[in-house]
Amino acid sequence: KAGVTQTPRYLIKTRGQQVTLSCSPISGHRSVSWYQQTPGQGLQFLFEYFSETQRNKGNFPGRFSGRQFSNSRSEMNVSTLELGDSALYLCASSSATGLARYEQYFGPGTRLTVT
Amino acid sequence: SQQGEEDPQALSIQEGENATMNCSYKTSINNLQWYRQNSGRGLVHLILIRSNEREKHSGRLRVTLDTSKKSSSLLITASRAADTASYFCAPYNAGNMLTFGGGTRLMVKP
Repeated sequence: KAGVTQTPRYLIKTRGQQVTLSCSPISGHRSVSWYQQTPGQGLQFLFEYFSETQRNKGNFPGRFSGRQFSNSRSEMNVSTLELGDSALYLCASSSATGLARYEQYFGPGTRLTVT
Repeated sequence: SQQGEEDPQALSIQEGENATMNCSYKTSINNLQWYRQNSGRGLVHLILIRSNEREKHSGRLRVTLDTSKKSSSLLITASRAADTASYFCAPYNAGNMLTFGGGTRLMVKP
């Protein structure tokens, strides 16, 4: 099976712009989670989608949003970028169903730099 | 939700030695997972241990879980330079998301 893919791998944006990141989960996985990783804050949970519904949300401002499509592919959007949004954004998929939580498979991440 | 807290934050050992990392958490769990991250890359799942299990092995990895103490440990035996990475634990309880602590940075010197 192909692994989790994320596009683009690297991105440079200017403060105030918006950005959309894409994640394709492993075939058959319906749960997709997004994380932000920075040297200062570590790995922080952004949100999780399951069958096109947001199931959990982390403590991030409304500028961060996401969605999931019927084929389980997911996108996250950050509007009005700030310098502090520079980070590695990781997507993970899981075969989790209902409330069960199984291992997550991570993509390589998108490195976003905001200047 | 809760996250694990790994200890130590950093660990440096020689190749061939064993490495032990600990994880503590606060509330009851359904399972606890350990992940590895090589510098700047995605996380790789290492092992999942369920709340009714006390020990689990996978190759050179050994994970223990003590639910009464709300703690877990990851032991890497006969470490190799390729084991150099950050290691994260992620405790999970039903209905919540999987969250990660700050991790343990392991350096294995050849």
